[in-house]
Amino acid sequence: AQKITQTQPGMFVQEKEAVTLDCTYDTSDPSYGLFWYKQPSSGEMIFLIYQGSYDQQNATEGRYSLNFQKARKSANLVISASQLGDSAMYFCAMKEKGSGSRLTFGEGTQLTVNP
Amino acid sequence: DTEVTQTPKHLVMGMTNKKSLKCEQHMGHRAMYWYKQKAKKPPELMFVYSYEKLSINESVPSRFSPECPNSSLLNLHLHALQPEDSALYLCASRFAGGAKNIQYFGAGTRLSVL
Repeated sequence: AQKITQTQPGMFVQEKEAVTLDCTYDTSDPSYGLFWYKQPSSGEMIFLIYQGSYDQQNATEGRYSLNFQKARKSANLVISASQLGDSAMYFCAMKEKGSGSRLTFGEGTQLTVNP
Repeated sequence: DTEVTQTPKHLVMGMTNKKSLKCEQHMGHRAMYWYKQKAKKPPELMFVYSYEKLSINESVPSRFSPECPNSSLLNLHLHALQPEDSALYLCASRFAGGAKNIQYFGAGTRLSVL
């Protein structure tokens, strides 16, 4: 079974609108962390936001927020006020406590922001 | 500052060549990673160093040889590569310990094997 599922291979959004990128995960480990990374066509993987399994509040970092629904095992990324520079591949990833140093990545969502 | 520097940015090599990729960070991170990434796919873990010791080798072929000379530097030595090894090679580092375990990545080296 996939540990991280991103069901949207591609998403389109108009500039200045908000967009939600979906991520569901599967783990039996009670202690885990969830991450979102952005990868522009240049290649660099840019860390965006982190949510711990025990965190009571949803994480926010500027225009990025993580809609964490633990019971549904969902960790969607919300980007508000989209900008042209937000066009990139977005990866959801999970680190389980029992996984050593490993991150498990989803297949990614390609976001295109239209002017 | 969350900078991980990788050199070179691009590399073209023949199947008989020997080359090296370099990764450097000055954030005091003691865990460093090599990933391989094919186009439109997520990164695949290759190696992990923790406190300058190899802690994970994901059954990578011996034509890839990692080296961690000190806590700031990570190398990947390449020898007798195959065309299917052409990919983006990403280095990452993280603070060893702490709850978040955030990995910070470099910009990668785009490798083409001819």
